[in-house]
Amino acid sequence: AQSVTQLGSHVSVSEGALVLLRCNYSSSVPPYLFWYVQYPNQGLQLLLKYTTGATLVKGINGFEAEFKKSETSFHLTKPSAHMSDAAEYFCAVISTTGGYQKVTFGTGTKLQVIP
Amino acid sequence: DAGVIQSPRHEVTEMGQEVTLRCKPISGHDYLFWYRQTMMRGLELLIYFNNNVPIDDSGMPEDRFSAKMPNASFSTLKIQPSEPRDSAVYFCASSFRGTGGNTIYFGEGSWLTVV
Repeated sequence: AQSVTQLGSHVSVSEGALVLLRCNYSSSVPPYLFWYVQYPNQGLQLLLKYTTGATLVKGINGFEAEFKKSETSFHLTKPSAHMSDAAEYFCAVISTTGGYQKVTFGTGTKLQVIP
Repeated sequence: DAGVIQSPRHEVTEMGQEVTLRCKPISGHDYLFWYRQTMMRGLELLIYFNNNVPIDDSGMPEDRFSAKMPNASFSTLKIQPSEPRDSAVYFCASSFRGTGGNTIYFGEGSWLTVV
């Protein structure tokens, strides 16, 4: 079975502070890992993804995530939060099972940035 | 590319009426997904297609919901009859299962209100 767990449905940080959003996954086959961001009243857009190769991946708006296979984690970080980072963030796992790709999204984490 | 195009963007309808949501995926993509998002239930996968064939419709809530994909460039999600609890944002998304990591691209969503 494939699953994604995002710890904390709401996270608050001060402007300028470190952002850390947690994502753990389970998959019986090597997965592709993604982070998406959803701003109010918009669709989801890709922040970054891990497929193969370097385990530290960089995305848009200064975000990065590190794939740690031993911990089955793909946490999202940003050194310094900006007010514009306030949004909902979704972690996702995609794997190929039975010849088809299987997609699982986490339940999302809403990030609040306090001025 | 224009991205995933959904219509209508907003719809308000009365209970019992038929609702049809439309989606044009990104050209060349072979997967199409329909998601529903509500405050209470978060992001739910309703159904997905591969090469126009429905692969998994286990997320479709009940028989009032149906989805079709008559060709590679068009899909519909129909609700008949609609109920107030169907009020939600419905997202269509598409992807290409290639070597680039299967990124899923979302449309802007169809905001449905059933009164």
